[in-house]
Amino acid sequence: AIQLTQSPSSLSASVGDRVTITCRASQGISSALAWYQQKPGKAPKLLIYDASSLESGVPSRFSGSGSGTDFTLTISSLQPEDFATYYCQQFNSYPPPYTFGQGTKLEIK
Amino acid sequence: EVQLVESGGGLVQPGGSLRLSCAASGFTVSSNYMSWVRQAPGKGLEWVSVIYSGGSTYYADSVKGRFTISRDNSKNTLYLQMNSLRAEDTAVYYCARSVVVAATPPYFDYWGQGTLVTVSS
Repeated sequence: AIQLTQSPSSLSASVGDRVTITCRASQGISSALAWYQQKPGKAPKLLIYDASSLESGVPSRFSGSGSGTDFTLTISSLQPEDFATYYCQQFNSYPPPYTFGQGTKLEIK
Repeated sequence: EVQLVESGGGLVQPGGSLRLSCAASGFTVSSNYMSWVRQAPGKGLEWVSVIYSGGSTYYADSVKGRFTISRDNSKNTLYLQMNSLRAEDTAVYYCARSVVVAATPPYFDYWGQGTLVTVSS
């Protein structure tokens, strides 16, 4: 099964900072990758799909890039509401599983 | 408006069974891919199962042979039958929708609020 490894596992940053989270796949997955944001006690929310396409309604400060095995999620200028845990998920496997990364917790410095 | 509402969680003893439901509104369950994802307390997300619009089903190795995903088209509801439950199945269970678009991976665009399953004696 395809494994996804996110780095870092946790990150402290300040409002206004530019932040980058990395997701590495154990084998090539083309661009079949999504990024989700999850706040405590809430369901995940889709931010990015196809590695770099912004989901409708998601602020433009979020962006994604990459293909193959290496992917990044960038938040250009952190806002207070962005402090959350972020997950990548791959959809290249057929049949599934649709594996998630282990998550990156973004905390206020 | 798309909505997913899970129910059926609770406390169950090891070896027991539970059936989760996910009632959908604003779209047709049978026309989309529907998945279950779980999250153990304080842990990350784990994909559990999917049912495709054509009816094919797939499972994570950790639940294969014990869990069954299904849907009732007349009720527009997704189910997860969980048998032979173990302590490690304790988690919040989310249902999630994937819009079916030709040649596009089935990203999870809508999620329910989750239902907690606790397996303990």
